[in-house]
Amino acid sequence: GAVVSQHPSWVICKSGTSVKIECRSLDFQATTMFWYRQFPKQSLMLMATSNEGSKATYEQGVEKDKFLINHASLTLSTLTVTSAHPEDSSFYICSARDSLEDRENYGYTFGSGTRLTVV
Amino acid sequence: AQTVTQSQPEMSVQEAETVTLSCTYDTSESDYYLFWYKQPPSRQMILVIRQEAYKQQNATENRFSVNFQKAAKSFSLKISDSQLGDAAMYFCAYRSVGFGNEKLTFGTGTRLTIIP
Repeated sequence: GAVVSQHPSWVICKSGTSVKIECRSLDFQATTMFWYRQFPKQSLMLMATSNEGSKATYEQGVEKDKFLINHASLTLSTLTVTSAHPEDSSFYICSARDSLEDRENYGYTFGSGTRLTVV
Repeated sequence: AQTVTQSQPEMSVQEAETVTLSCTYDTSESDYYLFWYKQPPSRQMILVIRQEAYKQQNATENRFSVNFQKAAKSFSLKISDSQLGDAAMYFCAYRSVGFGNEKLTFGTGTRLTIIP
């Protein structure tokens, strides 16, 4: 079935450094990727939507210069948290979508998430 | 903008019993999709069931079924014969129809506990 691989599953970084999170669709072409942030015991908040080969669309309140999203190929999207601070600590989840509505999961496949801790 | 509300932060049910999780949404659109997702402790999001708004028939997937009331903008999830593996956070989600409207809007979630 459709699988999205997200790495790393957890990362600890020092304040001021940058961290890159990768999201790969393994057996389908992801025309659209979504990046979510989830705080403990809260819902998924959409950060941005990216389409292959074009600039990401950020949700209101999300700093595009801080959360850099690259969707350079149909199977890979990356989220880079630049100059990370403790308040950026959170759980980040990607979701890949292909154009085939009749795929399992109705076209939305989620990665397993990345727990980021900034110290 | 669409909003999704889950008014039950936590629910519990005895194993083998039936439980219903509530979800309401607000939209001015006539056609859309609704989803229920499960997030177990592993944090992996798993699709439970989906409903197309244009379909009057309620979706069913084995022990999971929905009660879709379009006029009331209500989309509840019924879990029959609850099992220990059903323990998780459950999120209701909304999606508009059409190209370029593919993002999911999630509710705040309901934590379901199964009592052995």
